Amino acid sequence: KAGVTQTPRYLIKTRGQQVTLSCSPISGHRSVSWYQQTPGQGLQFLFEYFSETQRNKGNFPGRFSGRQFSNSRSEMNVSTLELGDSALYLCASSLGGGGSRIEQYFGPGTRLTVT
Amino acid sequence: AQKITQTQPGMFVQEKEAVTLDCTYDTSDPSYGLFWYKQPSSGEMIFLIYQGSYDQQNATEGRYSLNFQKARKSANLVISASQLGDSAMYFCAMREGSRVGGSYIPTFGRGTSLIVHP
Repeated sequence: KAGVTQTPRYLIKTRGQQVTLSCSPISGHRSVSWYQQTPGQGLQFLFEYFSETQRNKGNFPGRFSGRQFSNSRSEMNVSTLELGDSALYLCASSLGGGGSRIEQYFGPGTRLTVT
Repeated sequence: AQKITQTQPGMFVQEKEAVTLDCTYDTSDPSYGLFWYKQPSSGEMIFLIYQGSYDQQNATEGRYSLNFQKARKSANLVISASQLGDSAMYFCAMREGSRVGGSYIPTFGRGTSLIVHP
């Protein structure tokens, strides 16, 4: 079974631009979560999508948005990029049921550098 | 307040020896899950092991075991017979889950960097 894929793997953008990152979950997984990882803040939850609906949202400004398509693929968008948005963006997929045992499988990440 | 605390920023271990990575957590939810992930320098987070709050026995997955001490709110990862390929960042995470059908945001610790020496 193919794992979680993320594209692109690396991105360099300029302040003020916008960027779209893509994530394809494991086949059969309906939940996709996005995380931002930086040396200073660690791993922070951005949002989770389940069956095309945003189910949870972390504490990030409105410049960060996402969506999920009917095939469970997800995209996240960051508008008006700031230097502090430079980070590794990780996508994780899971089956998506409720409860505490929800194993997430992560993709390789997209490393975004904002100059 | 921190829900997951990993007090060891870095750990060193000799190849073939065992190592314990510490994790303490804080929750008032009686139903929760604890996870450990490995993140090599490539960046991908790899799921290692899971422990549920109601599990009677400590979880084991190959060379990984979880030393779960519920009263102390501790969930330490034990890696036996360390290998050079074990060198990576290790993250402890918790997901509270008493709401049936709901979904709670998982919380991650800051991680422990493990270096295995030959």
